[in-house]
Amino acid sequence: NAGVTQTPKFRVLKTGQSMTLLCAQDMNHEYMYWYRQDPGMGLRLIHYSVGEGTTAKGEVPDGYNVSRLKKQNFLLGLESAAPSQTSVYFCASSHSGGWETQYFGPGTRLLVL
Amino acid sequence: AQTVTQSQPEMSVQEAETVTLSCTYDTSENNYYLFWYKQPPSRQMILVIRQEAYKQQNATENRFSVNFQKAAKSFSLKISDSQLGDTAMYFCAFMKHSSNTGKLIFGQGTTLQVKP
Repeated sequence: NAGVTQTPKFRVLKTGQSMTLLCAQDMNHEYMYWYRQDPGMGLRLIHYSVGEGTTAKGEVPDGYNVSRLKKQNFLLGLESAAPSQTSVYFCASSHSGGWETQYFGPGTRLLVL
Repeated sequence: AQTVTQSQPEMSVQEAETVTLSCTYDTSENNYYLFWYKQPPSRQMILVIRQEAYKQQNATENRFSVNFQKAAKSFSLKISDSQLGDTAMYFCAFMKHSSNTGKLIFGQGTTLQVKP
């Protein structure tokens, strides 16, 4: 099993450009999450999904959109990138909510100039 | 709203010694989950240990154990017999039991350096 994979690993964008980050999991998990990690702030939840076709907002959803068309994939979109979105983005998945362990991907480092 | 605070940005310990990382949280919930995650230099987040708030017994996982003080809203992580591979950033995290959405609230993290 590959677990949770993220594409790309690193990307540089110019302000105003758009891009999509792809997260894929092969564990048949129902729940998937997108976090961002910034220095001194830990990880913050952007959006999450509790099943195929569902999405919901987390702590910091502004400027991002997501889609979960297939159970194994969770896409994070930036329609018009801003320097404030420079961060490391992590995807995670879990079998269900609550006590279940969340398995994390390796992260995507995004730099917005 | 729930908050998680890790007041030690950086710590260091000699190999084979014991170190304790602090975590406090604020919540009005009575039932919840607490977690410690490890992020080594590879950046891959890994669950270290977890605790259910209604369980009084402290969780242990091999060299890792917690000191859960519900009244004080404190959840510290003790690493015994520290190894070089324990060098990482450690995050404390909180989850409401009632939400069932899996939403984790993370602390700021503590960078631990294990010295040979």
